[in-house]
Amino acid sequence: TQLLEQSPQFLSIQEGENLTVYCNSSSVFSSLQWYRQEPGEGPVLLVTVVTGGEVKKLKRLTFQFGDARKDSSLHITAAQTGDTGLYLCAGLNSNSGYALNFGKGTSLLVTP
Amino acid sequence: DADVTQTPRNRITKTGKRIMLECSQTKGHDRMYWYRQDPGLGLRLIYYSFDVKDINKGEISDGYSVSRQAQAKFSLSLESAIPNQTALYFCATSSAGAASPLHFGNGTRLTVT
Repeated sequence: TQLLEQSPQFLSIQEGENLTVYCNSSSVFSSLQWYRQEPGEGPVLLVTVVTGGEVKKLKRLTFQFGDARKDSSLHITAAQTGDTGLYLCAGLNSNSGYALNFGKGTSLLVTP
Repeated sequence: DADVTQTPRNRITKTGKRIMLECSQTKGHDRMYWYRQDPGLGLRLIYYSFDVKDINKGEISDGYSVSRQAQAKFSLSLESAIPNQTALYFCATSSAGAASPLHFGNGTRLTVT
């Protein structure tokens, strides 16, 4: 059972465009993390959000945790080719025990 | 040197063979995990261990076993490999704490023919 649904699954945009990636669930999460994965490497943590309504910024990336702690979004402003990669959200809740449950990921391609 | 090291990086094996994937870490973390990644399916948890004496099944443990030889070592075994176990396998570590991030190795690409 996939607790976390990510959309879109694939996204291809040009440099300079803005984009938003979504991570949704019917379950409440005590915390949610976003990772980025590049080909041939393991995922690397971008951010952790723990409070409903929380907004965190990491340079051109803005992360938001929903008020009810069931969803999250990642917004990238003025995308660059270096943003290309697979973006994964992962959450912790009572259903997943003590280990993170991952979404299927959004594959982002930014072209010059 | 990488903090989380997986060996081998690539492996091709035949159906029915026993194979072991190894993971070692220098981060000093108590918690270790094995995930498998398939295109379109994301990362799915196979097994996890919160300390040397603790082993827990994840959502897809059938056909796999693990051994936590030491705090720094966590190996994954396929007793009798089958083609649908062809995938990218990741080991990860974390410190204790609910919101602790995972630190991943660079993966082992396994092909079962």
